[in-house]
Amino acid sequence: QLQLQESGPGLVKPSETLSLTCTVSGGSISSSSNYWDWIRQPPGKGLEWIGTTYYSGSTYYNPSLKSRVTISADTSKNQFSLKLTSVTAADTAVYYCARRRPAEYFQYWGQGTLVTVSS
Amino acid sequence: EIVLTQSPATLSLSPGERATVSCRASQSVGSYVAWYQQKFGQAPRLLIYDASNRATGVPARFSGSGSGTDFTLIISSLEPEDSGVYYCQQRSSWPPFTFGPGTKVDIK
Repeated sequence: QLQLQESGPGLVKPSETLSLTCTVSGGSISSSSNYWDWIRQPPGKGLEWIGTTYYSGSTYYNPSLKSRVTISADTSKNQFSLKLTSVTAADTAVYYCARRRPAEYFQYWGQGTLVTVSS
Repeated sequence: EIVLTQSPATLSLSPGERATVSCRASQSVGSYVAWYQQKFGQAPRLLIYDASNRATGVPARFSGSGSGTDFTLIISSLEPEDSGVYYCQQRSSWPPFTFGPGTKVDIK
């Protein structure tokens, strides 16, 4: 059974960079036809897709965040990561990692990790 | 960007009643809509994909319909464990994938 687990600092200062890692178990992130996504949810609000990396290395980002986001994969550790620069309080959210196949939906999710942006 | 709206925002029903949640897209998305259930403190769970197909392990009381711009999620007979927030999501045109704002279902 595929499992995903987010990790990273729970508190980030304004203007700094938010960095999170998603560790995948029960499957390889380099296996074909998998997208590895990041989605976030501000407290009490809805879901926002951040971006994705494909097994081939291609990346796609939400245009609203594109200038600040980098998603990358480390196949040796079976992990993928999210970096979000110049954070503000508006970036406070639960961040989820997820797996999606082409022409499919977000079937596997991590449990989520709360990141608070505050000085 | 395709915008999804949902109605109602909140639904309060008794066990055994039928719940109907609507999702409308700002432009046609074909049948490329999914529904997710999110319980408090948990990650969303995929319920319905491509408008009308139940995901693995989803009870038969959950059903979806629609195409184009209008979609519906029906829970035919509510169980206490169906309490949560339900989101629609489109994959017709991305990036970005977009979600509806959610419908909260309360079981009285």
